[in-house]
Amino acid sequence: NAGVTQTPKFQVLKTGQSMTLQCAQDMNHEYMSWYRQDPGMGLRLIHYSVGAGITDQGEVPNGYNVSRSTTEDFPLRLLSAAPSQTSVYFCASRYRQVQFYEQYFGPGTRLTVT
Amino acid sequence: RKEVEQDPGPFNVPEGATVAFNCTYSNSASQSFFWYRQDCRKEPKLLMSVYSSGNEDGRFTAQLNRASQYISLLIRDSKLSDSATYLCVVNSNKDSGYALNFGKGTSLLVTP
Repeated sequence: NAGVTQTPKFQVLKTGQSMTLQCAQDMNHEYMSWYRQDPGMGLRLIHYSVGAGITDQGEVPNGYNVSRSTTEDFPLRLLSAAPSQTSVYFCASRYRQVQFYEQYFGPGTRLTVT
Repeated sequence: RKEVEQDPGPFNVPEGATVAFNCTYSNSASQSFFWYRQDCRKEPKLLMSVYSSGNEDGRFTAQLNRASQYISLLIRDSKLSDSATYLCVVNSNKDSGYALNFGKGTSLLVTP
């Protein structure tokens, strides 16, 4: 199993550009989520999904869109990049019952917006 | 008040020392508790789950105190390789309990 994969590993955007961060998992996990991690702020939940066709907002959803058309894929779209979106982005997945199952993270995407 | 709070450290300890981290959480309805480890510029990985009765995995012991709403992690006989950031994680009762809340992490540096 590849686990959770993310592409790209690094990205530099100019203010106003849009892009999609890709995330895929091959563990048949129902639950997938996106976090951003900033110095001194910890991991903050952006969006999550409990299954194909179902998504919801987390703590910091503004400026981001998601969709979940398949169990495996959960892309994160930046609509119009802003310098405040410079961060490390982690995708994660797990089985639905949080009490019993580990959450797996992808290796992260380091995004810089100039 | 943040849902999960940790002392950011850093904790600098010599090899072989015992070190303990605490974490407090605000939601008394939380049911699931974990410690994750994050190495520099890497993704977080599960270190251990925290069970109501407390649990041990080798040199690591985790305990839960529901009455005071805190969890702890004890590391005995510290190794250089234990240097990392330790994240306290608690489930949220929002969103049907699916979301995990992460503390900002406690930094540990084990020195020779």
